[in-house]
This record gives sequence, structure tokens and C-alpha cells, in this order.
Amino acid sequence: KQEVTQIPAALSVPEGENLVLNCSFTDSAIYNLQWFRQDPGKGLTSLLLIQSSQREQTSGRLNASLDKSSGRSTLYIAASQPGDSATYLCAVNTGNQFYFGTGTSLTVIP
Amino acid sequence: GAGVSQTPSNKVTEKGKYVELRCDPISGHTALYWYRQSLGQGPEFLIYFQGTGAADDSGLPNDRFFAVRPEGSVSTLKIQRTERGDSAVYLCASSQGQMNTEAFFGQGTRLTVV
Repeated sequence: KQEVTQIPAALSVPEGENLVLNCSFTDSAIYNLQWFRQDPGKGLTSLLLIQSSQREQTSGRLNASLDKSSGRSTLYIAASQPGDSATYLCAVNTGNQFYFGTGTSLTVIP
Repeated sequence: GAGVSQTPSNKVTEKGKYVELRCDPISGHTALYWYRQSLGQGPEFLIYFQGTGAADDSGLPNDRFFAVRPEGSVSTLKIQRTERGDSAVYLCASSQGQMNTEAFFGQGTRLTVV
């Protein structure tokens, strides 16, 4: 069974810092990997989708990489802002379902 | 519609009662997923529809849980004889249906069983 792990579980950084969130998965047979943001009491907002054949995707200050063979993905956030404070979840798509990690709770201190 | 819509946003019910949770996916999306999220955890898979049929219901915890999607758009998750352990946020997602397409989630229904 696919297992997804996210490290660290929580992260606190001062405003303006660049940061990296990590996601690892045990089975490399995936169609894609998606990064989501979740604000307290809210649903999931899609940030980036990386297909299994891709190495990275960029959107604004966000850059996600994927190394399928080693079962790893990273989400890089440049020049962090207080508004980036949220929980970040990665999910791997195996066809019929997405497997989620437990998320990284990010706090950006003004 | 503009996004995935879930109703109600909050539901409080008494133990033993029956509840229905509704999901309106993005128009034209053939794939629909139900997930359940407990506090501090990642979402856990319940069921996946491709069109009207349940392509994978392996995540449904027991036979008290059932979901339908009769016309291939709106879906209803049904929970019979609710238990306090069913309390969670129930999330719905939809995608265009291809294996490599992006999934979009609704805001969820927070179910509390008292």
C-alpha cells in the first residue's frame, strides 16, 4: 500500500525566508503528484500538479520538484509571506485514488 | 459551476441517525472522489466514481456508508446509524477523469455526531 510522509510536521520561519517542504512516497507507480494548501477549517486548494513524466512545475513563488524513482517531491516557497501560513499537503495519484501525507503546518512570522 | 460545492457546510446529528452529504462537482468532470479528514490528519480515501459507477469503494469503512451518483454529476454520501467516531470533515473532489488531470476539492462538510 502506498504510504506518503511529509517532513517536517511543522515549520515556523520569519517573513522573507525561502523554505522547502518535503514529501516522500513508498511506491513509484504514480500518475502524478499534487500539492495542496489547506487553511484552518477550509477545504484543499490545489497549488501545483506534477505529472509522473515531469521533473518540476512552477507557479509564481512556488516550485515543486518530483523524483519519481526515489519517491520524493519538494515544494519550494520563495520569499515567504505571512499569508503563506497554512497546512501544505502532498498527494500522489495512483489511478483510483489520491494518497495524502499528514501535512506540514507552516507559520510565517511577520 | 465555478468550483466543487458541498452541502451542508456543517451538520450536527444525534448518534444513531441517518445523514446525507451532497457534492456538486465541477461541470463536465467525470471523476468524483469522497474523502474523510480527521483533525490533524491527511484526507483518507472513501470512494471514487467514474461517471455513474463506483470504480473503487475500497475506502468505505463499513456497510453503514454508501454513496451514489445516479446521473454522473451530483453525488450523495449516505451514512446510516451514525456513530460518534464518524465525526470528521467529509471532502469531495472532482477531476476531468483522465489519470493525469488535476483534482479540485470542495470546502467540505463538517459532521459532528453527538
